[in-house]
Amino acid sequence: GNSVTQMEGPVTLSEEAFLTINCTYTATGYPSLFWYVQYPGEGLQLLLKATKADDKGSNKGFEATYRKETTSFHLEKGSVQVSDSAVYFCALSEGAGANSKLTFGKGITLSVRP
Amino acid sequence: GAVVSQHPSWVICKSGTSVKIECRSLDFQATTMFWYRQFPKQSLMLMATSNEGSKATYEQGVEKDKFLINHASLTLSTLTVTSAHPEDSSFYICSAGPITDTQYFGPGTRLTVL
Repeated sequence: GNSVTQMEGPVTLSEEAFLTINCTYTATGYPSLFWYVQYPGEGLQLLLKATKADDKGSNKGFEATYRKETTSFHLEKGSVQVSDSAVYFCALSEGAGANSKLTFGKGITLSVRP
Repeated sequence: GAVVSQHPSWVICKSGTSVKIECRSLDFQATTMFWYRQFPKQSLMLMATSNEGSKATYEQGVEKDKFLINHASLTLSTLTVTSAHPEDSSFYICSAGPITDTQYFGPGTRLTVL
């Protein structure tokens, strides 16, 4: 079956530091890949996505590239801010359309210090 | 666009009572909605897929008689936790997708069973 593996957390960084959150996946077909973010006290929000190999998703300074050869979708940001403190979930969806199930990683908590 | 709401945001109930949680897509129609459960500091676990006009599809290990799902219209799905017990205390989240393979999440409902 499908699975998503995220690096163990939590992660604590100083403001303006470089961020990498690793995510690898196992899927039988060609999934779409997502990063969702959950800010304290809020629901999940889509951060970015990529639907095919070599696609790069980007939003709010975050980027992730769909690497089929390494089955990875690592999240990066060049300079984190305190406001980026949240829980980040990597996920995949296999199948077409909005009815496809999402498989989530365990999530990782990011804390950014001023 | 693509806003999903949930009501209530927080509910406290006594053991043995039933609780209904609503999930609404506010600006799009959703033939399919998803219900997740999230334990503290853990990932989201898909409970069931809610299909408008037909029975829900439950994931393995989820008791369909305990977690009743009704998808009454293209914009409303409800989850009823019947005869709730303290172990049912959790964060329940719904999601839906309008057209593409992206799901949009509600803000979640925190259920506390005393």
